[in-house]
Amino acid sequence: GENVEQHPSTLSVQEGDSAVIKCTYSDSASNYFPWYKQELGKGPQLIIDIRSNVGEKKDQRIAVTLNKTAKHFSLHITETQPEDSAVYFCAASPKTGGYQKVTFGIGTKLQVIP
Amino acid sequence: DTEVTQTPKHLVMGMTNKKSLKCEQHMGHRAMYWYKQKAKKPPELMFVYSYEKLSINESVPSRFSPECPNSSLLNLHLHALQPEDSALYLCASSQIPVLRGFGNTIYFGEGSWLTVV
Repeated sequence: GENVEQHPSTLSVQEGDSAVIKCTYSDSASNYFPWYKQELGKGPQLIIDIRSNVGEKKDQRIAVTLNKTAKHFSLHITETQPEDSAVYFCAASPKTGGYQKVTFGIGTKLQVIP
Repeated sequence: DTEVTQTPKHLVMGMTNKKSLKCEQHMGHRAMYWYKQKAKKPPELMFVYSYEKLSINESVPSRFSPECPNSSLLNLHLHALQPEDSALYLCASSQIPVLRGFGNTIYFGEGSWLTVV
């Protein structure tokens, strides 16, 4: 089955700096890679995703890159703000039938220091 | 704001109680999920319903009983739980993936915090 490794597990940055979270996956059948942000006491919310036919995707201060050959994908947050503090999960999904299978990384706790 | 609504937000129950968690979505998704999340861990899949039929049970103890009354609703019935079952229970939904297509987004609700005493 799929295995997703995520690092670092914790990350502290000064407000205004950039943050990078890296993930690797094992199953070459995975073709969809969502990133979720989970704030304290809330459910995970999708912040950005990327499909395997695209190498990079950007949405304002957030970008995701994908290297299919190396099976790496990364989340980049620029100009970090205190409200970016949360736990971030990367995930990998294969094309399946019947339901959407997803494997999560262990999560990265991001702290943005004002 | 999430389009998957879960009630109650918080639930405290004794080990002999029977309670239910409820979930509703109006996105037209035909796959619905229950996940369990412990502190500092990623969500862990419990059950999957596809077209209102149970398709995946990840070896969950029978004290957890899911139900899908229609395409918009999902329940999780709880009975004789143990303190170690205390966790955040997340409902989620997605479109049914197209075979040979790309994966689809899973949308999560805000969760129900369950404490078993």
